[in-house]
Amino acid sequence: NAGVTQTPKFRILKIGQSMTLQCTQDMNHNYMYWYRQDPGMGLKLIYYSVGAGITDKGEVPNGYNVSRSTTEDFPLRLELAAPSQTSVYFCASSSAGFGDGYTFGSGTRLTVV
Amino acid sequence: QQQVKQSPQSLIVQKGGISIINCAYENTAFDYFPWYQQFPGKGPALLIAIRPDVSEKKEGRFTISFNKSAKQFSLHIMDSQPGDSATYFCAARTGTASKLTFGTGTRLQVTL
Repeated sequence: NAGVTQTPKFRILKIGQSMTLQCTQDMNHNYMYWYRQDPGMGLKLIYYSVGAGITDKGEVPNGYNVSRSTTEDFPLRLELAAPSQTSVYFCASSSAGFGDGYTFGSGTRLTVV
Repeated sequence: QQQVKQSPQSLIVQKGGISIINCAYENTAFDYFPWYQQFPGKGPALLIAIRPDVSEKKEGRFTISFNKSAKQFSLHIMDSQPGDSATYFCAARTGTASKLTFGTGTRLQVTL
């Protein structure tokens, strides 16, 4: 089992560029999430999805977009990258069962210059 | 705004000692309280979790203590080992989408 796979692991973007962070899970989990992690700030929820075709905003959605066309994939799109989007991005998934924890990917470290 | 407050920000403990990390929350709708362990360059991994109807849960050297009336919970690591050196996050869950709100993290260093 691969779990949650994120690509790329590292990326440097110039201000104003766009990119898509990929996330795939092979556990048939209904719930998927995108978090960003900044030093001393913990993890902040960007977007989440409870199933294919259903997405919703989290705490810090500005500057990002998501889609969920399949159960397995949950890509995060950055439009017009800004230095404030420099962060480590984590994708996670969870089954719908009570008490089940998240399975996180290994993260994407993004730098916007 | 839903918040989970975590302390301390960093902690140094000698090998064999007890590490204690504390968290406090405000939203009484939270229904599940997990702790995550994160090593450098890796994603967080679920360590141990508790429901609010239980006051304590123990798994090996790791124990969660939960005080519902005070809206506080803590992680105790007994006989701390150098391999426990990592960043620990408390979290609290709410909503039908199982959204987690995370604390700001505690960087634990266990020295020899």
